Amino acid sequence: QVQLVESGGGVVQPGRSLRLSCTASGVVFSSYGMHWVRQAPGKGLEWVAIISYDGSSKYYADSVKGRFTISRDNSKNTLYLQINSLRAEDTAVYYCAKDDLYNDIFALDFWGQGTLVTVSS
Amino acid sequence: QSALTQPASVSGSPGQSITISCTGTSSYVGDYNFVSWYQQHPGKAPKLMIYDVSNRPSGVSNRFSGSKSGNTASLTISGLQAEDEADYYCSSYTTKVVFGGGTKLTVL
Repeated sequence: QVQLVESGGGVVQPGRSLRLSCTASGVVFSSYGMHWVRQAPGKGLEWVAIISYDGSSKYYADSVKGRFTISRDNSKNTLYLQINSLRAEDTAVYYCAKDDLYNDIFALDFWGQGTLVTVSS
Repeated sequence: QSALTQPASVSGSPGQSITISCTGTSSYVGDYNFVSWYQQHPGKAPKLMIYDVSNRPSGVSNRFSGSKSGNTASLTISGLQAEDEADYYCSSYTTKVVFGGGTKLTVL
């Protein structure tokens, strides 16, 4: 059974940095692209970033480009999101999700339970 | 302002059918069959319900179906049940991913 478990969230002051992690199990992690998606309190889903299965390609939403960095360590089955210069508007639940491009399916088929990031002084 | 437009809310009675629309441009909907739909219950992670416009993942009820016409994709839920009450999001995945604003389904 595929499991994605996020960690690293918490209360952070504006301007500080944070690194989120997502550890995968039950799946050949190195075969799949991985995404971060966030959801501000009471709001809809916002896609944040994608990294290809081998880490060679990365794309970001315009709203986070330059401050967020997605990366992965396939030897540790772990996905990361480095967030710099945190702003109040970054307050959200951050989900990691895998896609299934390996099987030519352009969708996010498994999601973690999310980790809450609260930016507040 | 999302690139994909959904109605904010829809409602239906148990046993009825409802349809949620998702309107975008040719770049997001019309030219590709990469539209998917997600269900999200309060406090829970999203769940994939439909991929590639009209395909259901294993384990998803056949009461859920998807279609597309031009630049509008649709999710239809037949035989509404109380457990279907949730938020639903459409999405398009080309190089990047975009989500619709979400639709709250209320089962009356």
